[in-house]
Amino acid sequence: SYVLTQPPSVSVAPGKTARITCGGNNIGSKSVHWYQQKPGQAPVLVIYYDSDRPSGIPERFSGSNSGNTATLTISRVEAGDEADYYCQVWDSSSEGVFGGGTKLTVL
Amino acid sequence: QVQLVQSGAEVKKPGSSVKVSCKASGGTFSSYAISWVRQAPGQGLEWMGGIIPIFGTANYAQKFQGRVTITADESTSTAYMELSSLRSEDTAVYYCARAGLHTTVTTYFDYWGQGTLVTVSS
Repeated sequence: SYVLTQPPSVSVAPGKTARITCGGNNIGSKSVHWYQQKPGQAPVLVIYYDSDRPSGIPERFSGSNSGNTATLTISRVEAGDEADYYCQVWDSSSEGVFGGGTKLTVL
Repeated sequence: QVQLVQSGAEVKKPGSSVKVSCKASGGTFSSYAISWVRQAPGQGLEWMGGIIPIFGTANYAQKFQGRVTITADESTSTAYMELSSLRSEDTAVYYCARAGLHTTVTTYFDYWGQGTLVTVSS
């Protein structure tokens, strides 16, 4: 089955840029979706189809996808961005696959 | 605004079954897939399967084939997930999530239920 690899943690100072990667074999050929999950809450969609942003999600959130790596970029990081972030794709068998998640810590 | 409201927490014995419901409101239920995603304590998200209510046929993750049944009742805009032969490793929060595009399971999830904690313990 298809495997998505995320770094367990990323730390960033307020106001700086955080980049969270999601690695997978030729992931650039797939559509990647990103979710933010805060403790005790359901996930929230922050990026879909690699780089589209749902209404209500700040422009500070952006995404890219090429080759073997998809990236979620959060610019001008705020304390409220501290959360777990998950990437997600569909494999060739139409099974949903999530990355292991990345904990974003705002220093 | 779409809302997904799930049934309450459950405590089950090993070997038994659990059925969790997910009632949708505020949107078109029949043509948007509902998936079930679970999260074990301190762990990541895991897709279990999904169904497009108007078609009625569910797709399941291979890991759960034979143990999970996902159904949908268009008359009440409610989706269900039943997991059988429960074991301690099935202790998790179970979420329903709606597909962001109609008539396909394989897309993003734009709305999520609040989650249902299922505890499997003897």
